[in-house]
Amino acid sequence: NAGVTQTPKFRVLKTGQSMTLLCAQDMNHEYMYWYRQDPGMGLRLIHYSVGEGTTAKGEVPDGYNVSRLKKQNFLLGLESAAPSQTSVYFCASHQDSYEQYFGPGTRLTVT
Amino acid sequence: AQSVSQHNHHVILSEAASLELGCNYSYGGTVNLFWYVQYPGQHLQLLLKYFSGDPLVKGIKGFEAEFIKSKFSFNLRKPSVQWSDTAEYFCAVLYNFNKFYFGSGTKLNVKP
Repeated sequence: NAGVTQTPKFRVLKTGQSMTLLCAQDMNHEYMYWYRQDPGMGLRLIHYSVGEGTTAKGEVPDGYNVSRLKKQNFLLGLESAAPSQTSVYFCASHQDSYEQYFGPGTRLTVT
Repeated sequence: AQSVSQHNHHVILSEAASLELGCNYSYGGTVNLFWYVQYPGQHLQLLLKYFSGDPLVKGIKGFEAEFIKSKFSFNLRKPSVQWSDTAEYFCAVLYNFNKFYFGSGTKLNVKP
């Protein structure tokens, strides 16, 4: 079991560029989440999904879009990156126990 | 909006000292409570969780936490810390089996 994997691990973008972060899990979990982690602010929920084909907004959704076309994948898109989106992005998934399993994170810098 | 507060941002202890990290949450209906740990260079992993029953829950590596409903608190404790406990600790609350909210984290530095 690979658990939760994230691609890429690091990325540097220029302001206005777009990119997609991929989260994949092999545990057949229904629930998947995208968070951002900023110094002194902990993790903040961006978007989440309660099953294939569903998505919902979290605490800080502006500037991001998501898709869950396949149960095992949850994509996070930035259409026009801004310096305020410089952060570490974590994906997580869980099943009925609500114990979240986290990926290793993607460190994104927007210049 | 719901919120989770961790008042200790950075704690420094010597080995064998006792640890207590505070966590308070805002009222918002049904809550389930978690503590996660992030060791240097690793991703977050679950220490313990509370859903119902005995408000004193025990987790991995000798950690425990007490849910005090009247105080909206879920403090993490360990009687004797080790150098290997150096990490960042996050309290998290699941409101109404819907959204997770995390605290800002507490960095623990244990001196050998």
